[in-house]
Amino acid sequence: EPEVTQTPSHQVTQMGQEVILRCVPISNHLYFYWYRQILGQKVEFLVSFYNNEISEKSEIFDDQFSVERPDGSNFTLKIRSTKLEDSAMYFCASRAPPRDTEAFFGQGTRLTVV
Amino acid sequence: AQSVSQHNHHVILSEAASLELGCNYSYGGTVNLFWYVQYPGQHLQLLLKYFSGDPLVKGIKGFEAEFIKSKFSFNLRKPSVQWSDTAEYFCAFSTGTASKLTFGTGTRLQVTL
Repeated sequence: EPEVTQTPSHQVTQMGQEVILRCVPISNHLYFYWYRQILGQKVEFLVSFYNNEISEKSEIFDDQFSVERPDGSNFTLKIRSTKLEDSAMYFCASRAPPRDTEAFFGQGTRLTVV
Repeated sequence: AQSVSQHNHHVILSEAASLELGCNYSYGGTVNLFWYVQYPGQHLQLLLKYFSGDPLVKGIKGFEAEFIKSKFSFNLRKPSVQWSDTAEYFCAFSTGTASKLTFGTGTRLQVTL
C-alpha cells in the first residue's frame, strides 16, 4: 500500500538553527500539506501546496517557514531560525484529486528545539 | 472562524462496551467530514469520511458515524469496543476541493480488559 514517508523521524536542533523536514508524498497525489501537533494539543494546519505554489497557509506559517517541492518527489518544510516553541510533531500529508478523497498522513517528524 | 469541538477529552471503557464520541463543527457551508485515529506511536489513519449522500457512514474496524446537518454534528460510534481500539481519535472537516483539514482537540480512548 502506498504511503507518505517522512524523514527524519526525530530531529534535535539548537535554537536559532535551520531545519529541513522531508516528506515523500504518494506518487500520484497533487495536493500536499504540512501540519503540526504540539505535545498535548490538537493537530494544526500549517500550509497547503498545489501546482508548485502555496495555496493556503495559516497564521503559524510566518516568514520563518517555507516549503518546496524541489524535484517532483520530495516535499520539504524549512524552518529558518528555530524557536523553542517550534518543538512539535510535524506531519506531512498528501491527497489525490478528485474532490472526494482523503488526505494520507506520514508518520511524522518529532522536532525538539533545545 | 472554523472550528471543531470534541467534548470528550478522555474516555475509559471496558471491552465490549459501546462507544459514542461527540463531534461538532462550526462552519456555515458545505463540509467534508472525517474521523482519524492515531494509535500510540503511529501516524494518523482515516477511520471514515463523509462527502455526500447517506449521512450514516461506515468505516474500518466496525466504526460508523452519522452526519446530522441540523446539529452540525458528526458523532463516532462503535457498538462494542476492543482493547486494540485504545488510541486518540480526531474529528476533522474540510471545505472545498483542496482545503486544509481543521481538527478537533482529540479524544483519548482507553479500553480496559
